[in-house]
Amino acid sequence: GQQLNQSPQSMFIQEGEDVSMNCTSSSIFNTWLWYKQDPGEGPVLLIALYKAGELTSNGRLTAQFGITRKDSFLNISASIPSDVGIYFCAGLSNFGNEKLTFGTGTRLTIIP
Amino acid sequence: EAQVTQNPRYLITVTGKKLTVTCSQNMNHEYMSWYRQDPGLGLRQIYYSMNVEVTDKGDVPEGYKVSRKEKRNFPLILESPSPNQTSLYFCASSPGDYSWGSPLHFGNGTRLTVT
Repeated sequence: GQQLNQSPQSMFIQEGEDVSMNCTSSSIFNTWLWYKQDPGEGPVLLIALYKAGELTSNGRLTAQFGITRKDSFLNISASIPSDVGIYFCAGLSNFGNEKLTFGTGTRLTIIP
Repeated sequence: EAQVTQNPRYLITVTGKKLTVTCSQNMNHEYMSWYRQDPGLGLRQIYYSMNVEVTDKGDVPEGYKVSRKEKRNFPLILESPSPNQTSLYFCASSPGDYSWGSPLHFGNGTRLTVT
């Protein structure tokens, strides 16, 4: 199946720092989604991107849908302790079914 | 409260002993899916269902079965579990109106260990 390369795999940052992570694909997606997974819970949708070039914010989070439709990035500004978790990108190819392909995840740890 | 409920949360079993992980959603969603999460591999789709009595294989269906007899329930069945099926499993649902990006609602996961 399709694969999404997500980087970095893990990040160790200090509270207050900005965070940047990205996802790249070998194929085109029609929609990019960013999910966050808190420890012991299922992923929760953070941001959805529907158009190439789209830049969308949700509080301190900003995500962009790459012009080529093969990549996306997520930025978190001024990180706080509750930002800890695993962030997943996901690409949606809407060719007859809603099949999401997930990235491998970025584990964010905040150092006090 | 709108939710996806999986049971059990934790399960330890032995090789070859059939097991079922239940999944139920109370949002009247048409689409349901099972994923497994493994370190370094992210979430991989096992099976999905577009509606009652309609199921299809995802990316890693080997060793799993599913059924969708009712809209709200989508159990995952392991007829003969093996150690390589030790993983964290998630059930998810979405409205299934096929509008692009309709969000998946995930359950809280089932951590399965097969010895």
